[in-house]
Amino acid sequence: EAGVAQSPRYKIIEKRQSVAFWCNPISGHATLYWYQQILGQGPKLLIQFQNNGVVDDSQLPKDRFSAERLKGVDSTLKIQPAKLEDSAVYLCASSLAALAGGPYEQYFGPGTRLTVT
Amino acid sequence: AQTVTQSQPEMSVQEAETVTLSCTYDTSESDYYLFWYKQPPSRQMILVIRQEAYKQQNATENRFSVNFQKAAKSFSLKISDSQLGDAAMYFCAYRSSLTGANSKLTFGKGITLSVRP
Repeated sequence: EAGVAQSPRYKIIEKRQSVAFWCNPISGHATLYWYQQILGQGPKLLIQFQNNGVVDDSQLPKDRFSAERLKGVDSTLKIQPAKLEDSAVYLCASSLAALAGGPYEQYFGPGTRLTVT
Repeated sequence: AQTVTQSQPEMSVQEAETVTLSCTYDTSESDYYLFWYKQPPSRQMILVIRQEAYKQQNATENRFSVNFQKAAKSFSLKISDSQLGDAAMYFCAYRSSLTGANSKLTFGKGITLSVRP
């Protein structure tokens, strides 16, 4: 079974530029999460999708961050314009179904390390 | 809101010895899930072990076991017969048993484990 795929693995941009990250979840996983992991901290949820609908985006800085999950499969996270404090690892995770009960495991991708200079 | 605290930033263990990583959490919920994730330098988050709060028996996975103290809101990870491949960052995480937006993981800050040969 293929895991969660993310690209690119690394990205360096200057502040005020824009950047986009791509995530392909495990086949059949309805729920997709984007987490931000700042150096020295644990991951923090940015946005959660159930199929192609947003379940939780309360921690997403909507003035500069946007995300979509067209057709309920792949997802893209965009930052425009980037700030220095956006330097972090962006992790994508997927699970079977967060709307049903049960400890459905979240499977993580390898992450994208973003450096904003 | 739930919080997860890992107060030890770093720990070191001799190969083949046993080490215990500490974690405390705060929640007003009675049913939830607790996890330990391992994050090696490759950044891939790997699930180590899971504990359901309604289960009194501590979870065990090969060399990994937990000491779950629900009343004290404590959830420690014990690694027996430590191996060089165990060196990584370890994160304690909490997940509500509720569905939908409550399915996100809340992580602690993590602990860096080094294994001495």
